[in-house]
Amino acid sequence: NAGVMQNPRHLVRRRGQEARLRCSPMKGHSHVYWYRQLPEEGLKFMVYLQKENIIDESGMPKERFSAEFPKEGPSILRIQQVVRGDSAAYFCASSPNPAGGGDTQYFGPGTRLTVL
Amino acid sequence: AQTVTQSQPEMSVQEAETVTLSCTYDTSENNYYLFWYKQPPSRQMILVIRQEAYKQQNATENRFSVNFQKAAKSFSLKISDSQLGDTAMYFCAFMRTQGGSEKLVFGKGTKLTVNP
Repeated sequence: NAGVMQNPRHLVRRRGQEARLRCSPMKGHSHVYWYRQLPEEGLKFMVYLQKENIIDESGMPKERFSAEFPKEGPSILRIQQVVRGDSAAYFCASSPNPAGGGDTQYFGPGTRLTVL
Repeated sequence: AQTVTQSQPEMSVQEAETVTLSCTYDTSENNYYLFWYKQPPSRQMILVIRQEAYKQQNATENRFSVNFQKAAKSFSLKISDSQLGDTAMYFCAFMRTQGGSEKLVFGKGTKLTVNP
């Protein structure tokens, strides 16, 4: 059973470009979470999605950031017009069916975004 | 809002000895979940142990155990017979189970070094 897959593992962008980060959840998991980790910090929640629905985006910056989890294919975190402050590690996690059950979230290896 | 505090930025321990990492949290919820995740130099987030707040019995996983004190809002991790492979960042995390979102709130982490 493959774990959570994220690609690319490393992404370099120049200021003003767009960054697209992909996440494929574990088989059988229909809930995806995105977290951001700045250097020397813990992970900070960004967004929680189910298939075709955004459940909680309270941690997403209001501008330039968007996320989707289509019916088919991976979840995508998109950052438009990147700035140096967007440089961080972005982690995706998945769980099978939270529904108030406190399901464990399983993490992917992360995408390290560097903005030049 | 929930907060998680890890008061020890760095700790070290000799191989085969025991070490305890501290974690406190703040919440007004009665039902919730607590987690310890390990992040080795590879930066992969790995689940170490999980505790349901409604269970009085402390969770254990092989060499890892917790001391969960609900009234004191304390959730420390004990690692017995420390091994070199335990060297990593350790993050304590809180998950609420109400409101439809099961996001994790992380502490800033404790960097553990196991010395030979």
